[in-house]
Amino acid sequence: EAAVTQSPRNKVAVTGGKVTLSCNQTNNHNNMYWYRQDTGHGLRLIHYSYGAGSTEKGDIPDGYKASRPSQENFSLILELATPSQTSVYFCASGDGGLGDYAEQFFGPGTRLTVL
Amino acid sequence: AQSVTQPDARVTVSEGASLQLRCKYSYSGTPYLFWYVQYPRQGLQLLLKYYSGDPVVQGVNGFEAEFSKSNSSFHLRKASVHWSDSAVYFCVLSDSNYQLIWGSGTKLIIKP
Repeated sequence: EAAVTQSPRNKVAVTGGKVTLSCNQTNNHNNMYWYRQDTGHGLRLIHYSYGAGSTEKGDIPDGYKASRPSQENFSLILELATPSQTSVYFCASGDGGLGDYAEQFFGPGTRLTVL
Repeated sequence: AQSVTQPDARVTVSEGASLQLRCKYSYSGTPYLFWYVQYPRQGLQLLLKYYSGDPVVQGVNGFEAEFSKSNSSFHLRKASVHWSDSAVYFCVLSDSNYQLIWGSGTKLIIKP
């Protein structure tokens, strides 16, 4: 049974619209992460969270907000979507430590197209 | 600066042939290294990981990787590839803040 799920799996949005991507994990991990994946790049970290109520900026946070209302749920919010935000978005969870705790577990991804 | 470089964007090998995907890292501390695989239209799966000890680590589906501190490398190998190995492979470094630093990925194409 999938431990990290994302919804929606595909989304088409209009420029200037608001988009919310949702992520749920049943791993009971403290940390959750949002990445985007673009051709020619590895995954790039947008926002992450250490636990319920916390959000931190990653490497490319501009144009994105995040919300972590509970241990299980982590949302990525695009208040004013732009075509440059067309990408595949991945959510992940992990313990956020050294050794075995460094591993992250990924959801299936959300393909977002902003027209 | 911390970084991961995968110099080959695309590698093509014949089915049954051996494989090496290259990865170089830049990191001043003790590196924690991973290889993740992304099959077409799927999410990311962990292939193998290295933290310490034996520099050759075994992963799933016959993959292995060799860590070299002197060369700052963590190359992925497989003795005999199968068509189902077609995927994008990512070399990943865990930094001191427990964040993952990703290489740009290598697309593996298997010729019949």
